[in-house]
This record gives sequence, C-alpha cells and structure tokens, in this order.
Amino acid sequence: GQQLNQSPQSMFIQEGEDVSMNCTSSSIFNTWLWYKQDPGEGPVLLIALYKAGELTSNGRLTAQFGITRKDSFLNISASIPSDVGIYFCAGDDKIIFGKGTRLHILP
Amino acid sequence: NAGVMQNPRHLVRRRGQEARLRCSPMKGHSHVYWYRQLPEEGLKFMVYLQKENIIDESGMPKERFSAEFPKEGPSILRIQQVVRGDSAAYFCASSLQRTGYTDTQYFGPGTRLTVL
Repeated sequence: GQQLNQSPQSMFIQEGEDVSMNCTSSSIFNTWLWYKQDPGEGPVLLIALYKAGELTSNGRLTAQFGITRKDSFLNISASIPSDVGIYFCAGDDKIIFGKGTRLHILP
Repeated sequence: NAGVMQNPRHLVRRRGQEARLRCSPMKGHSHVYWYRQLPEEGLKFMVYLQKENIIDESGMPKERFSAEFPKEGPSILRIQQVVRGDSAAYFCASSLQRTGYTDTQYFGPGTRLTVL
C-alpha cells in the first residue's frame, strides 16, 4: 500500500531559525496536505497542494508539491515558540498520514 | 460557530467492555471520517460515513468495530469487547461536501481510549 516517509523525525532548533522538513512516498500522490497537531488536540490543516510543482505559502509557512508527485516539503521561516508541535504530511484519497516531524524550540 | 465535537475526551475501559465514542460534525457538514492514532504514529483512516450511509470502511478492523452516522444525532464509533491493543486516540473529522477525500477535513480534539 501507499506509504509516506517523513524526515526528520525530530528537530531541535533555536527560536528564529528557519525549519525545513520533507515527505516522500513510494507511489504517486494527487494531493499533498500538511497538518500541525498540538498536544492533546486534533490535526489542523496548514497547507493543501493540488498540482505537481505547486508552491504555496501561508504566512511563514511555505510548501511545495514535488514535480515527480512523490514528495513534498514544508518550510517554516523565523520560527517562534508556538510553532512547537508535530507536523504531519498527508496525501490522497483516504488521507494517508506520515508519522510526523516533532519540532522542538530551544529557549 | 462550534467546531467538531468529540466526547468523551478520555475513556477508560477494562478488557471485554464496550467503548462508545461520539462525534458531532461541524454545523452543516454531512461527511464524517474516523481515524485512529497510536503513540508516535500518524493518523490511520478507519471509516468514512455520510448521513445513514457507510461510504468506505476499508480501514476498519473486521471484528468488534462498527460505526454509524444516523439521520439525527452524532456519529458513533463502537468498539465491542475491547482489548489492550485498542488503546489509542480516536479522531473524528468532518467536511462540508465530498469532491474527493481531500475536501478540507476539520478534526475534532479526539477521544483517548485506555484499556486496562
């Protein structure tokens, strides 16, 4: 079946740094989604990508749908404390989720 | 404008008991999805329902699990004779309309089931 691999699994960064995480799949996806999950809460949709090559921004967040349709990345610029959480990539019909990238911000 | 509501937020059951998880979609949404999340994992699709219809239950275990979304009232995910492996967070999501599963799905806060 379709699988999503997210990297890195965890990130420890300083406040103000830029963050980059990515997601690859074993097969082609028609849609890529990026979600953020805070502890004890459900995921919240950050960015949705529908076309290969598409680059979309949402505030300090930027995500791209890879040309091969097998990968996507999410960048966060100038990280702030409230960016802490788990970021999931997800895709396609039944919304297959990756295992997440856990973002930690050091004081 | 209330979001997706789930209750209870936490549920503790002993092995062999039944667990009932409820989900009220956002106002005006008629599509409901249930997902399960194990610790350190992503969410896994279980079932997609519309009012009074199960559209896709390909992610549901074949035994002990059932879901419904009646004409009136919340969607219910029911787990009979729970086992320790059922311990997880169960999330419900709803969407306004389906032009594909990737309609924006709004997630509830989840129900954390612990089986003793």
